[in-house]
Amino acid sequence: QQPVQSPQAVILREGEDAVINCSSSKALYSVHWYRQKHGEAPVFLMILLKGGEQKGHEKISASFNEKKQQSSLYLTASQLSYSGTYFCGTERDGATNKLIFGTGTLLAVQP
Amino acid sequence: EPEVTQTPSHQVTQMGQEVILRCVPISNHLYFYWYRQILGQKVEFLVSFYNNEISEKSEIFDDQFSVERPDGSNFTLKIRSTKLEDSAMYFCASSDGAGGQFFGPGTRLTVL
Repeated sequence: QQPVQSPQAVILREGEDAVINCSSSKALYSVHWYRQKHGEAPVFLMILLKGGEQKGHEKISASFNEKKQQSSLYLTASQLSYSGTYFCGTERDGATNKLIFGTGTLLAVQP
Repeated sequence: EPEVTQTPSHQVTQMGQEVILRCVPISNHLYFYWYRQILGQKVEFLVSFYNNEISEKSEIFDDQFSVERPDGSNFTLKIRSTKLEDSAMYFCASSDGAGGQFFGPGTRLTVL
């Protein structure tokens, strides 16, 4: 039931791009993306609702393919501040807003 | 910018004691949640709360746990008879129901 993320970890140089994938075995109502830095709370990045939408937030964007039950987070021209663990949170229905978080992807951006 | 606040930031307790973790959600949000994160692991859903009642709870949220909204601003998580395995970071979150969930800074619970 827990969404699976890939890769588990990625190391980038500043300015490089990365893609983080989130895959569920169950039908999804929405996908949320969060970034968590060590010792801090998860920070909301964006939400994608079923309908196959794509969203952007500065140089971070995401897509949601509800048929494939997958979402991808795209980080372009990465900055040092992008470092952290990225979690997808999946919601199976819109009634309770219960989020099931994925396994996480550790992103390290180096100078 | 409005934010979720939590107190205390760190709570140390003896096994078997009761603890109450407090949260003040963002003022115009109507949906409230508790999550926990054991060190180095993923965030786990505990409970969601709307309109003064629990809307969903996980298998972790057994009779040891309870939530309450005692007034118009606070949202609390009570853990009775704490166990060693309850040691974790507990996050409160709130949402308007249509967008993302905004997390508080967390309370680190240590059970000795």
